[in-house]
Amino acid sequence: KAGVTQTPRYLIKTRGQQVTLSCSPISGHRSVSWYQQTPGQGLQFLFEYFSETQRNKGNFPGRFSGRQFSNSRSEMNVSTLELGDSALYLCASSFRQGIGYEQYFGPGTRLTVT
Amino acid sequence: GQQVMQIPQYQHVQEGEDFTTYCNSSTTLSNIQWYKQRPGGHPVFLIQLVKSGEVKKQKRLTFQFGEAKKNSSLHITATQTTDVGTYFCAGLSGAGSYQLTFGKGTKLSVIP
Repeated sequence: KAGVTQTPRYLIKTRGQQVTLSCSPISGHRSVSWYQQTPGQGLQFLFEYFSETQRNKGNFPGRFSGRQFSNSRSEMNVSTLELGDSALYLCASSFRQGIGYEQYFGPGTRLTVT
Repeated sequence: GQQVMQIPQYQHVQEGEDFTTYCNSSTTLSNIQWYKQRPGGHPVFLIQLVKSGEVKKQKRLTFQFGEAKKNSSLHITATQTTDVGTYFCAGLSGAGSYQLTFGKGTKLSVIP
């Protein structure tokens, strides 16, 4: 099976702009989670989607939003970019089994805000 | 909210020495997972522990889940240079939760 893919891999944006990142999960996986990774804060949960529904949201401002399509592909959008949004954005997909689920991460999108 | 603390933040070991990282949750967990992230890479799932007191082994790696399901550890015996990377624990708090809370990770350096 092909792994999780994320596009673009690298992105440079200016403060105030908006950005959309894309994630294609492993075929058959219906859950997609998004994380922000920075050296100081580590891996922080943004939100999780399952069957096009956002089931959980982390502690991020409303500038961060996401959606999931019927084919399980997901996008996240960040509006009015700030310098502090520079980070590696990782998406992870999973096939729910039991009470927990292992997550398969994509390579990430490295966002730099100048 | 749920917090997962992981120590140490960094660990430098000589090749062949053992290594342990510890994870502690502020709340009881339904399960805990461990991931490894190589430099420049993305987190890769290692294992999941579900039962109280559970111990699982993968070759030189030993994972433990505490009796109270609030702490966990990863022990690597006789480290090798291929073990270099950051090890993360991630806890799932309970039924109906769809959010994994990650520890900040332990960055392991192995000196050949």
